[in-house]
Amino acid sequence: QVQLVQSGADVKKPGASVKVSCKASGYTFTRHYIHWVRQAPGQGLEWMGIINPSDGYTSYAQKFQGRVTMTRDTSTSTVYMELRSLRSEDTAVYYCSMVQGVTFDYWGQGTLVTVSS
Amino acid sequence: DIVLTQSPDSLAVSLGERATINCKSSQSVLYSSNYKNYLAWYQQKPGQPPKLLIYWASTRESGVPDRFSGSGSGTDFTLTISSLQAEDVAVYYCQQYFSTHTWTFGQGTKVEIK
Repeated sequence: QVQLVQSGADVKKPGASVKVSCKASGYTFTRHYIHWVRQAPGQGLEWMGIINPSDGYTSYAQKFQGRVTMTRDTSTSTVYMELRSLRSEDTAVYYCSMVQGVTFDYWGQGTLVTVSS
Repeated sequence: DIVLTQSPDSLAVSLGERATINCKSSQSVLYSSNYKNYLAWYQQKPGQPPKLLIYWASTRESGVPDRFSGSGSGTDFTLTISSLQAEDVAVYYCQQYFSTHTWTFGQGTKVEIK
């Protein structure tokens, strides 16, 4: 069965960077795009970007351009999302999600990133 | 970017009554070559990731109860819960996948029991 297992919760100081991992299993890793979506406490869903695990192609939401990098490691079937220059507004649950067709079909469990001095 | 605006932000409906949520897109998400609307609806309960309910604006995901239905085309869409059940209390989001590799969500609509 398809599983996306994310790294654990993290606490960072303003200005620091965070790198969240998402390990995929139960399907051919290079066959389907993975997206990152975040949700601030009590707020809605915010699409951050997409990575093609096959060739590493990425596309980011304009809001995060220059501050986010998504990468993948095909040897471990893992994708990573790094967000730099963190500020308090980046406190959120970060989700990875795999798209088989055109919709978010499978989700990771979410990773809480807290930005606090 | 395509902006999706949902209305209302929240609504309270009696058990067994109808709940209607609207989603308006800043531009059409109807792809002319296949006449498909690139819009989906998700349900999110506290502490859980979203769950897909509807895609192509009106196609129900497998296993989703038939009290959930989607309609609309172009820029205006609706999610209807025909007879609200207690387990339907959640936040509902529309989401477009029309823009290649630039996807967006509506701001969400919270559904509660009156």
